[in-house]
Amino acid sequence: AQSVAQPEDQVNVAEGNPLTVKCTYSVSGNPYLFWYVQYPNRGLQFLLKYITGDNLVKGSYGFEAEFNKSQTSFHLKKPSALVSDSALYFCAVRLNTNAGKSTFGDGTTLTVKP
Amino acid sequence: DGGITQSPKYLFRKEGQNVTLSCEQNLNHDAMYWYRQDPGQGLRLIYYSQIVNDFQKGDIAEGYSVSREKKESFPLTVTSAQKNPTAFYLCASSRQGSSYNSPLHFGNGTRLTVT
Repeated sequence: AQSVAQPEDQVNVAEGNPLTVKCTYSVSGNPYLFWYVQYPNRGLQFLLKYITGDNLVKGSYGFEAEFNKSQTSFHLKKPSALVSDSALYFCAVRLNTNAGKSTFGDGTTLTVKP
Repeated sequence: DGGITQSPKYLFRKEGQNVTLSCEQNLNHDAMYWYRQDPGQGLRLIYYSQIVNDFQKGDIAEGYSVSREKKESFPLTVTSAQKNPTAFYLCASSRQGSSYNSPLHFGNGTRLTVT
């Protein structure tokens, strides 16, 4: 079985400050890890993914994520938050087995205050 | 531009009625998925299809049905047997096979309200 945990329902940061949205996972095997962002009443948009190789992955809109195999974590980061980054963020895991089904965390609402 | 189109955006139905949600993609993706989103519960998989004329139940398939007669289309029917159908429904697609490292592409969802 595969599972994803996003331990924080809500993250609040001031504009210009760095942000971190946390994600941990549990799988049997080597996972593919993803971050998605969702704006109100819209579908999810892909931000970045980890497949293999460099543990620091860079994605869209200045976001990056750090894969840590020993801690089974894949935290999303951005050096300087913007008010427009305020949204709902989902971490997801996918395996080469299990028909490639994705499992999502429950989401973290990021609020960036001016 | 390629993408996934879900229609309608908002849907209202009376309890006891079946309703079908449309999902069409022009990305030439083999795999398609239906998810249900409820506040604070993330996304839960209803059904998925890896190839035309084949589909499998996800984690919460009871009260739902699907068909996959064409590669581009994967409609979802919410039946009267679904006890709590009011939710936001998301359709997604992806490349398949050796490309499980591909991200999902999502439509903009259908918000279903049943009263």
